[in-house]
Amino acid sequence: AQSVTQLGSHVSVSEGALVLLRCNYSSSVPPYLFWYVQYPNQGLQLLLKYTSAATLVKGINGFEAEFKKSETSFHLTKPSAHMSDAAEYFCAVSASNTGNQFYFGTGTSLTVIP
Amino acid sequence: DVKVTQSSRYLVKRTGEKVFLECVQDMDHENMFWYRQDPGLGLRLIYFSYDVKMKEKGDIPEGYSVSREKKERFSLILESASTNQTSMYLCASSPSGGGQPQHFGDGTRLSIL
Repeated sequence: AQSVTQLGSHVSVSEGALVLLRCNYSSSVPPYLFWYVQYPNQGLQLLLKYTSAATLVKGINGFEAEFKKSETSFHLTKPSAHMSDAAEYFCAVSASNTGNQFYFGTGTSLTVIP
Repeated sequence: DVKVTQSSRYLVKRTGEKVFLECVQDMDHENMFWYRQDPGLGLRLIYFSYDVKMKEKGDIPEGYSVSREKKERFSLILESASTNQTSMYLCASSPSGGGQPQHFGDGTRLSIL
C-alpha cells in the first residue's frame, strides 16, 4: 500500500527566502512521486515528477525536489520565494502495482510575505 | 497540451436531486478519475476507470456512481444529493503505464442546499 504525509499544513516564508515543503511517503514497491500546485479556484497543475531516473528532479517555476530513498522523502524546494508562489501544494505517490492510482497528501498551503 | 474540461465551475442543487457532473478529455487517455476535495482532507478518490464501460471504486464511493460510455467522457452521478456531498469535485485523466502524471480539470464547486 502507498501513502503520503505532508508535514505542515501551513507554511509562511518571506519573499526571497527559501521555500521547503516536506513530503514523506510509504510504499512497498519502488514509487513514482509527484508534486502538484493548486491556485485558488483552479485544478491541480503538475510541478514535477520522479520516475526512477535522476534523484534530483527539476520542475517548472524554479522548483525542484530530491528523492531520498533512505529517508523515504521527496521534499520540494525553491531557492527564492516569489509572491506568485502562494498556493496549495500537494505531494502524491503511485506505484507500478497500483496502475495509475494516486495517493495524495493533505496539502500544504504556502503564504509568501512581502 | 492536455485539456480536461469539466462542464460546470459552480453548481447549486437541492437535497434529493440527481446530479450529473461531466468531464471530457481530449488526449485519448485510457484512465480517468473523480476526486472530491475538502479542506484538511486533501483529495479523496471516488471512482476511476481504466477503459470504456469499466469502473473501479475508490476510497469513498458511497452515494456516487459513474458512467463511461465513451473513452473521452467520464460522468459522476450523485443519485440522491445530500448536504454532506457539498464539496469541490475534480476530474483527472492519464495515459496508461507506470509513472504517468494525472492531468486535472479546473473543478466543479458543488453546493447542495
